[in-house]
Formats: sequence, C-alpha cells, structure tokens
Amino acid sequence: QKEVEQNSGPLSVPEGAIASLNCTYSDRGSQSFFWYRQYSGKSPELIMSIYSNGDKEDGRFTAQLNKASQYVSLLIRDSQPSDSATYLCAVKGGGGDYKLSFGAGTTVTVRA
Amino acid sequence: GAVVSQHPSWVICKSGTSVKIECRSLDFQATTMFWYRQFPKQSLMLMATSNEGSKATYEQGVEKDKFLINHASLTLSTLTVTSAHPEDSSFYICSALRQGSDEQYFGPGTRLTVT
Repeated sequence: QKEVEQNSGPLSVPEGAIASLNCTYSDRGSQSFFWYRQYSGKSPELIMSIYSNGDKEDGRFTAQLNKASQYVSLLIRDSQPSDSATYLCAVKGGGGDYKLSFGAGTTVTVRA
Repeated sequence: GAVVSQHPSWVICKSGTSVKIECRSLDFQATTMFWYRQFPKQSLMLMATSNEGSKATYEQGVEKDKFLINHASLTLSTLTVTSAHPEDSSFYICSALRQGSDEQYFGPGTRLTVT
C-alpha cells in the first residue's frame, strides 16, 4: 500500500468551475499536510498547509482535513486556466524527522 | 519570504565528470535541506536529508559516494554528482525547511543532462 495516494486524474474542468482533489494517507500518526502545485518543467510550489481537522481557506483554495478518515482534499474555486498544473499532496509522518511523503500527483487542466 | 535558489538551473556534462549543484535559502535560515530527483512524468524521489554541520542522511538505494552532500552553513547546501553517467540525467530539486516550521520550500531545480 502506498503511503500517500491521490486520485489519478487527469482532471479536466471548465473555467469558473470547482476542481476537487483528493488524497489519502496510511500513517495514522501524521500531523502535517501540504498541497504543492507543480507546473510542467518547474519545481513544486507550496500553496497550502493544514494541521487541524476541518477546513482552511486561502483565496480560491480550500484544504480539508479529516484525520479519522486519513483524508485530505483541496478545492479550487473559480478555476482559471493558470491553475492548470499537477497538484501534489504531501504528508509529514508521525516520526521525528521532517521528511515528506508525496503522492503521485493529480494533473488538472482548466478549459477556457 | 521563503525564497530558495539553485545554481545552475541547467547543466550539460560529459560522462565521467562531476557536477556541483548549489542550493541557497535567500531570506531565512535552514538547518535542514532536502535533495530530490524527479524523472519525467514521475513524482519526486527523496535522495537525502542534509543537516547543517553534520553528515547527510541518504535514502535507501541512493549511493552516498556518488551523490556527495555538504551543508556548510545555515543557508547553503551543495550536491555533487560524481562520475556522472547518462542515467544520472534528471531534474534535481532541493528544498529548505524554515527554522521553527515544518514547511518545505523548493528551489527552482537543476536540469542535468549527461552525454
């Protein structure tokens, strides 16, 4: 079983719609969760971090965390063509180090 | 804040030569940095954890004598790919952990091509 799994995609949404990305993780002791955006040929960019159950909103992005279900999601509202990228879910495990486990990523395409 | 730079952004070298890649945190101190490798259409693969003033910790399967890591200051880590071969061609990305935080900020990456 992979440590971090994301819906495989690709995900295609029309401009202005909501893009919904899902991620599950296996380490129940995980405490920190991150979403990164990676444009083709570029390095990842941190867009959201979440630590507590519930929702966290930042502009058009909302991260949702449910530790009991070991589930974290990212919603992108009012999707724009510039949101077209691969989104990586990353989880910091419950151990003492700061290593991240990454999902394989979900590629999002926003159709104009 | 939280800007990380890498140099060079791309490099082409001949098989058997060594290449050094620098990773700098520009506006914060980073006692811990990470080195990743990414092949086309694949996710990030952690190679090693670099701690300032101590030896790097390598992930299983990563040759420590081939990928030399030095973290001599709170803002600089270097990765040297020794005796590079075409199979080492990849996108190498560093990240830095801001002190007091568990957020990792990535550098722009270095694209290495070994001919």
